[in-house]
Amino acid sequence: DQQVKQNSPSLSVQEGRISILNCDYTNSMFDYFLWYKKYPAEGPTFLISISSIKDKNEDGRFTVFLNKSAKHLSLHIVPSQPGDSAVYFCAASVGGGSQGNLIFGKGTKLSVKP
Amino acid sequence: DTGVSQDPRHKITKRGQNVTFRCDPISEHNRLYWYRQTLGQGPEFLTYFQNEAQLEKSRLLSDRFSAERPKGSFSTLEIQRTEQGDSAMYLCASSPPWAGDGYTFGSGTRLTVV
Repeated sequence: DQQVKQNSPSLSVQEGRISILNCDYTNSMFDYFLWYKKYPAEGPTFLISISSIKDKNEDGRFTVFLNKSAKHLSLHIVPSQPGDSAVYFCAASVGGGSQGNLIFGKGTKLSVKP
Repeated sequence: DTGVSQDPRHKITKRGQNVTFRCDPISEHNRLYWYRQTLGQGPEFLTYFQNEAQLEKSRLLSDRFSAERPKGSFSTLEIQRTEQGDSAMYLCASSPPWAGDGYTFGSGTRLTVV
């Protein structure tokens, strides 16, 4: 049973436009959420996180929105750049970020076209 | 510090052989994690250490798998009697005690069992 779901395997966006990546979760105990970016042949790199006590967190071109009632979060990238082309993973944890076990989704491959 | 280092980057082994992977975490990080990623999936948690203590193990970690972190520094992951289903990318990550802003992942060891 997948607790973190990324239902779109891929997304293609034009350079300069907004990229919106979605993630749904089923476990109500999750209270910390993270997004990672992964290039081929590299490990995932941390992008941005959000605690369940917030509904929005921004870092430069990246914004994460959390809708707890819908158990849904999204990552917005504005404006999208070709270098953003990568696989994006949503991850969740219990314990406010202090626990060791992250549960990952299957990822969404983002392609940003020049 | 150059980040989390994993060795080897690639390993091809015959079914039934034993393999051992090494991970060197960021020196000031006391937490170390092992994840496994197969094609089309997100990383799946295997186990984690706080210093030299192994605090949590996933049910994915069968009795053929063993991980150690002597002296709380580098870690090794051994797989005995490898099976074709063990073929995957094995990722190591480290973090300070509060993992909220994400782990730092290594580039992984790709295991192919033939």
